[in-house]
Amino acid sequence: GQQVMQIPQYQHVQEGEDFTTYCNSSTTLSNIQWYKQRPGGHPVFLIQLVKSGEVKKQKRLTFQFGEAKKNSSLHITATQTTDVGTYFCAGTSGTYKYIFGTGTRLKVLA
Amino acid sequence: EAQVTQNPRYLITVTGKKLTVTCSQNMNHEYMSWYRQDPGLGLRQIYYSMNVEVTDKGDVPEGYKVSRKEKRNFPLILESPSPNQTSLYFCASSSTTGMGDTQYFGPGTRLTVL
Repeated sequence: GQQVMQIPQYQHVQEGEDFTTYCNSSTTLSNIQWYKQRPGGHPVFLIQLVKSGEVKKQKRLTFQFGEAKKNSSLHITATQTTDVGTYFCAGTSGTYKYIFGTGTRLKVLA
Repeated sequence: EAQVTQNPRYLITVTGKKLTVTCSQNMNHEYMSWYRQDPGLGLRQIYYSMNVEVTDKGDVPEGYKVSRKEKRNFPLILESPSPNQTSLYFCASSSTTGMGDTQYFGPGTRLTVL
């Protein structure tokens, strides 16, 4: 069945360093969404990408959708302690089923 | 305030004792969904519903039932819980049909089956 792999599983960075997480799907996606989950919290929607090659920015966060619509990345510039949490990607492939990546847990050291 | 609520938030039960986790949303969303979250496995979709009386299986539906009799409610039923259903459960809802729209998640229900 369809799978979405996300790497790395964990990332520890010093505050101010950059961070990137990658998602790779075994099938072509209709769209991809990114979520952030703080420790002890619930997933919170960050953004959705739909078009091949799409790039979107939210302040220090940059999201990309690959040309083949099978991969995506989230890049955070100059991390802050408020960026701590687990980042998930989630994609659909023309159905109403969401497949989530396994998540990347980010720890930011002050 | 727009929100998705779940009850109970925490539940410890024993194998075989039927239970229901309720989910309600006040945003008039058509699409609702249930996920379970387990360490190292991320979120996996159990069931989803595109509207009243319309439900379909997600990736891990075995051992679960759902119903959608009203637009705002989407309860998750475990007829005979087993220890491998110990998990953190999230309900989510979104507008339109849910394909490519923001999902709003509830606070989660931590279930332990002994």
